[in-house]
Amino acid sequence: NAGVMQNPRHLVRRRGQEARLRCSPMKGHSHVYWYRQLPEEGLKFMVYLQKENIIDESGMPKERFSAEFPKEGPSILRIQQVVRGDSAAYFCASSPQGQGNNEQFFGPGTRLTVL
Amino acid sequence: DQQVKQNSPSLSVQEGRISILNCDYTNSMFDYFLWYKKYPAEGPTFLISISSIKDKNEDGRFTVFLNKSAKHLSLHIVPSQPGDSAVYFCAARPNSGYALNFGKGTSLLVTP
Repeated sequence: NAGVMQNPRHLVRRRGQEARLRCSPMKGHSHVYWYRQLPEEGLKFMVYLQKENIIDESGMPKERFSAEFPKEGPSILRIQQVVRGDSAAYFCASSPQGQGNNEQFFGPGTRLTVL
Repeated sequence: DQQVKQNSPSLSVQEGRISILNCDYTNSMFDYFLWYKKYPAEGPTFLISISSIKDKNEDGRFTVFLNKSAKHLSLHIVPSQPGDSAVYFCAARPNSGYALNFGKGTSLLVTP
């Protein structure tokens, strides 16, 4: 029973390039969350998606960041024209339901380094 | 605006003793609380949770206590083991919500 899968585990980009981070939720989970962890900080919520729908993107920067969770395939977090401040660990989590007392199960994260 | 605070960045405990990790929150709408454990280069792993209708939840060596009036919760690990050495994150959310609000974490070191 595979857990939350994320790839790549490490991603290096130069300033101005695009970064694509992928997340496959646990089997049976249709709710996906993205969080970002800056050095020495806790995880910060970015976006919550269900299949084909963005439910809450209140934690997403207004520019350059976008997320999707298509009907088929993994959820994608896309960062356009990356800057050094985007360097962080990006974690995806999934849950069987959105609300209520359900824990979110996290993937191993993608560590993005912007040169 | 840090709504969940873990004021101790690190804690060192001897093997076999009790580890107590503390967490404070400011948002009175929070009513579901979770503790996660994280090793370097891995994602957070769920440990234990508590709903605001309870003041204590126990699972093996791990017990979480909730004091709603003080907006404070704590995680007790007893007896502590070297494998417990990790960063522990406290998280909270309103029952009607879904986004977890995390503290900055406490790094626990259990020494033999």
